[in-house]
Amino acid sequence: DAKTTQPNSMESNEEEPVHLPCNHSTISGTDYIHWYRQLPSQGPEYVIHGLTSNVNNRMASLAIAEDRKSSTLILHRATLRDAAVYYCILRDVLWGSQGNLIFGKGTKLSVKP
Amino acid sequence: DSGVTQTPKHLITATGQRVTLRCSPRSGDLSVYWYQQSLDQGLQFLIQYYNGEERAKGNILERFSAQQFPDLHSELNLSSLELGDSALYFCASSVASGQGADGQETQYFGPGTRLLVL
Repeated sequence: DAKTTQPNSMESNEEEPVHLPCNHSTISGTDYIHWYRQLPSQGPEYVIHGLTSNVNNRMASLAIAEDRKSSTLILHRATLRDAAVYYCILRDVLWGSQGNLIFGKGTKLSVKP
Repeated sequence: DSGVTQTPKHLITATGQRVTLRCSPRSGDLSVYWYQQSLDQGLQFLIQYYNGEERAKGNILERFSAQQFPDLHSELNLSSLELGDSALYFCASSVASGQGADGQETQYFGPGTRLLVL
């Protein structure tokens, strides 16, 4: 799987939007971009994923660059509960690829009241 | 609540001992993954089972083994424990087989078992 690069940490104020960047310059055409987050003392949880088009769900939005070499996870209004480590992960659809997730170090998001 | 359950939540044991961690996947999920999270290594994939069969192996030590039973629950066995095995162990489940047929597959993680080896 191609690698991703994320900032180690970011800070946000409560109720403000947060843009979490991810670089994946070696992404292949068959790689989906997934985001998971891990709240303190919990297991990782799925946030969102996309292939080429921007995606929205109840948790967040995912903006994917036109060349797909980067993406941004957008939390529209950060809450204290959004303080977590956010992981950007690539998953390909090629037959024979392993199904496990490959976690990097992620971005630790702190939210200030 | 992800629907994935893990027991026990906490485990304290001594070096050289053997422990068994248990995971029940979400209803309908056939794949179970085990991950280890330590402070220095982050989240590392250990092993995957699909419908009772081993499907993929990651950085799993020979002292560790796993199996998935006909009711689809899985157990991770850790033996000859060392101090360095202290970590959080997470189980995740998914519907897909993980054969790469679906890059959209979502994995659902349990709350983890915190293992402390003294």
